[in-house]
Amino acid sequence: GESVGLHLPTLSVQEGDNSIINCAYSNSASDYFIWYKQESGKGPQFIIDIRSNMDKRQGQRVTVLLNKTVKHLSLQIAATQPGDSAVYFCAENISGAGNMLTFGGGTRLMVKP
Amino acid sequence: EPEVTQTPSHQVTQMGQEVILRCVPISNHLYFYWYRQILGQKVEFLVSFYNNEISEKSEIFDDQFSVERPDGSNFTLKIRSTKLEDSAMYFCASNKAYYGYTFGSGTRLTVV
Repeated sequence: GESVGLHLPTLSVQEGDNSIINCAYSNSASDYFIWYKQESGKGPQFIIDIRSNMDKRQGQRVTVLLNKTVKHLSLQIAATQPGDSAVYFCAENISGAGNMLTFGGGTRLMVKP
Repeated sequence: EPEVTQTPSHQVTQMGQEVILRCVPISNHLYFYWYRQILGQKVEFLVSFYNNEISEKSEIFDDQFSVERPDGSNFTLKIRSTKLEDSAMYFCASNKAYYGYTFGSGTRLTVV
């Protein structure tokens, strides 16, 4: 069936470096995507979202890129900090087909001091 | 900043017992959800609730599960007869419309 998946289960970066977390999705009907951060023992925390009519969206230290041609989503974190260490999930939604989110499997980001 | 509040944070129950997980969504939100996350796995959708009725549910949400909004603030998930495989983190979420999903911190359910 259709699913959202992640390329890398664990990403280790040096503090201050930029991080890139990737996500592949297979449902071409998906038109809304969200990145969530999940710290140990906590619920998913919204980071940034993007609709399919956009290729790029920037937030504070984060950028989401959407490539609809290859069904690929990425999250870029600038100047990664120890507090960025967490599991990152992408999630997708199909507008008009309800509000349910389909989550990917997660990538653990580890920031080395 | 408004939060989705879930209680209890951890619930241990014996197999076959009924459990009720409680959530207080953000007050002006209209859509309410339950998701679960089995340890080490991805977050899975269970059910969405709008206008006092279920709007969507997944295959996981079988007749052992039910949801209720008993008053203007609480949103509950009931599991009638728990199984070992129901052990997971259960997350409540709410939003106003298409955007702005906010998740609670979750209830860890352990079935023994």
